[in-house]
Amino acid sequence: ETGVTQSPTHLIKTRGQQVTLRCSSQSGHNTVSWYQQALGQGPQFIFQYYREEENGRGNFPPRFSGLQFPNYSSELNVNALELDDSALYLCASSWGQEGEQYFGPGTRLTVT
Amino acid sequence: GENVEQHPSTLSVQEGDSAVIKCTYSDSASNYFPWYKQELGKGPQLIIDIRSNVGEKKDQRIAVTLNKTAKHFSLHITETQPEDSAVYFCAASRQTSYDKVIFGPGTSLSVIP
Repeated sequence: ETGVTQSPTHLIKTRGQQVTLRCSSQSGHNTVSWYQQALGQGPQFIFQYYREEENGRGNFPPRFSGLQFPNYSSELNVNALELDDSALYLCASSWGQEGEQYFGPGTRLTVT
Repeated sequence: GENVEQHPSTLSVQEGDSAVIKCTYSDSASNYFPWYKQELGKGPQLIIDIRSNVGEKKDQRIAVTLNKTAKHFSLHITETQPEDSAVYFCAASRQTSYDKVIFGPGTSLSVIP
């Protein structure tokens, strides 16, 4: 059984650019949730994907968008990057919308 | 809006002593309360959880208590070991919809050998 993996590990972007982060869910899991974790804070829920459809969204603007693919892997896209978008982005997979979530190691995004 | 408070923000204990972390939540509809441990460079790992129909749950050296009336829940770690050093997060959610999961700000626990 493979765990949740994320790529890239680190990323540096310039304000105004766009970024795509990737997540491979744990084997057998069909649900992926994305979180933003600013330095020294707890994770904040961005959105969840279940069976390729967005299923719940936190308090994030539309420039944060995502996709889930038939193999249940997922992408997080952020357009028009702002300095405050600098954070650790975590994805978590689960079996179903109520299952225990397993987190990946995260992608550290720095916006300059 | 919904909020989860967590105290203390930092905690330092001697190896073998107990550590207690306390959280309060504001959303009265919350019915699922997980605790996560996050080590440096890693994602959060679920260590224990409790549901609203239970007042206490124990797993070896770790225990959680829940007081739904007061909207308080706590994590207790006994016989602490250096490998318990990490950041611990409490969270509260309506388990049927993860869009309501709210994490606390975290407690940095240091266990001194």
